[in-house]
Amino acid sequence: SQTIHQWPATLVQPVGSPLSLECTVEGTSNPNLYWYRQAAGRGLQLLFYSVGIGQISSEVPQNLSASRPQDRQFILSSKKLLLSDSGFYLCALSGTGVNEQFFGPGTRLTVL
Amino acid sequence: AQTVTQSQPEMSVQEAETVTLSCTYDTSESNYYLFWYKQPPSRQMILVIRQEAYKQQNATENRFSVNFQKAAKSFSLKISDSQLGDTAMYFCAFMAAYSGAGSYQLTFGKGTKLSVIP
Repeated sequence: SQTIHQWPATLVQPVGSPLSLECTVEGTSNPNLYWYRQAAGRGLQLLFYSVGIGQISSEVPQNLSASRPQDRQFILSSKKLLLSDSGFYLCALSGTGVNEQFFGPGTRLTVL
Repeated sequence: AQTVTQSQPEMSVQEAETVTLSCTYDTSESNYYLFWYKQPPSRQMILVIRQEAYKQQNATENRFSVNFQKAAKSFSLKISDSQLGDTAMYFCAFMAAYSGAGSYQLTFGKGTKLSVIP
């Protein structure tokens, strides 16, 4: 069965520092991958999605970026974090032709 | 663009009782999918149930069932025989059946916090 790993689980970073969150998946090939952010008391907001290696689509303009260097690896990055980047970041996947999305355990990011 | 509205920020239910969570959505799509996700305190998002818009029959999954009213654009979740483990945030989500980019994008409501009281 498919498994999603997210690293790190929690992160505290100062404003202006860089960011790198990693998502890796197992048990599936050529998945669609997604990054969501959940701010406190709010629903999930889609940030990026990828249908293949090197293919990234952005849903919300911001100071974040995403990359997909390998089929089963999805990375969320920032050169300079803002206070507003604090939140819970979730990686998700869906199989080709499959409309259900499955979520990883998430990363809690606090920007001070 | 699609919108999903959950009008009940918080709800509570006695253990073993039944509770219904409301969700409405707005879309111009004719073919789509609807989902309920559960997010317990661990914050892991767990798929509870899904409904295909072209199916008239309401989906059921053990103690969880939906009331899908396509004309009214309503998609409520009923939890029967509530258990303490049902305590969680519940999110309603919408997905168009086709995305030109080849991916399947979910639009979420803001969630309903459900507390099951012993």
